[in-house]
Amino acid sequence: EAGVVQSPRYKIIEKKQPVAFWCNPISGHNTLYWYLQNLGQGPELLIRYENEEAVDDSQLPKDRFSAERLKGVDSTLKIQPAELGDSAVYLCASSPSGDLNTGELFFGEGSRLTVL
Amino acid sequence: AQRVTQPEKLLSVFKGAPVELKCNYSYSGSPELFWYVQYSRQRLQLLLRHISRESIKGFTADLNKGETSFHLKKPFAQEEDSAMYYCALSENSNYQLIWGAGTKLIIKP
Repeated sequence: EAGVVQSPRYKIIEKKQPVAFWCNPISGHNTLYWYLQNLGQGPELLIRYENEEAVDDSQLPKDRFSAERLKGVDSTLKIQPAELGDSAVYLCASSPSGDLNTGELFFGEGSRLTVL
Repeated sequence: AQRVTQPEKLLSVFKGAPVELKCNYSYSGSPELFWYVQYSRQRLQLLLRHISRESIKGFTADLNKGETSFHLKKPFAQEEDSAMYYCALSENSNYQLIWGAGTKLIIKP
């Protein structure tokens, strides 16, 4: 099994440019998460999907960030325009369901963004 | 507010020595706690969860509600244990994980 697949692994852009990250979760996993991880910190949730529905996007900075999960499988996270402070690793994770007490999160390798 | 604190950013011990990675939490409800690990050049993965009361790779963690702690322990460290370790707390009502900042564990030969 391939696990959670993310692309690109690395992205360097200039500020004010747009950027998009793609995530393919493990087959059959209904719940998908996007996390932001700054250097020296733990992951911070940006958005959680149950199938195609965004059930928790309270932490997503909606002025510049957007996400979608069409058909409840793959997901994209977009930043437009990017700012210097957006430099971080963007992690995608999936789980069979949203019940974290019985399931676990399966993470992708992350997309490292550098904004110059 | 719910919070997970890992007081040590870096912990370095010799191979064969005991290891204890500290995790303290603040949560008003009944917590579910986890340890995740990230080995070099690998993805973040679940190590163990308190609800399972299991030992994985020789690691154990006991939930101490009185001290609000969930320290990760291993009696004899091995070089392959070198990694980043994250403690996380599940907010049952939000299906959300609250993460600590992580501890980098280095096992010296």
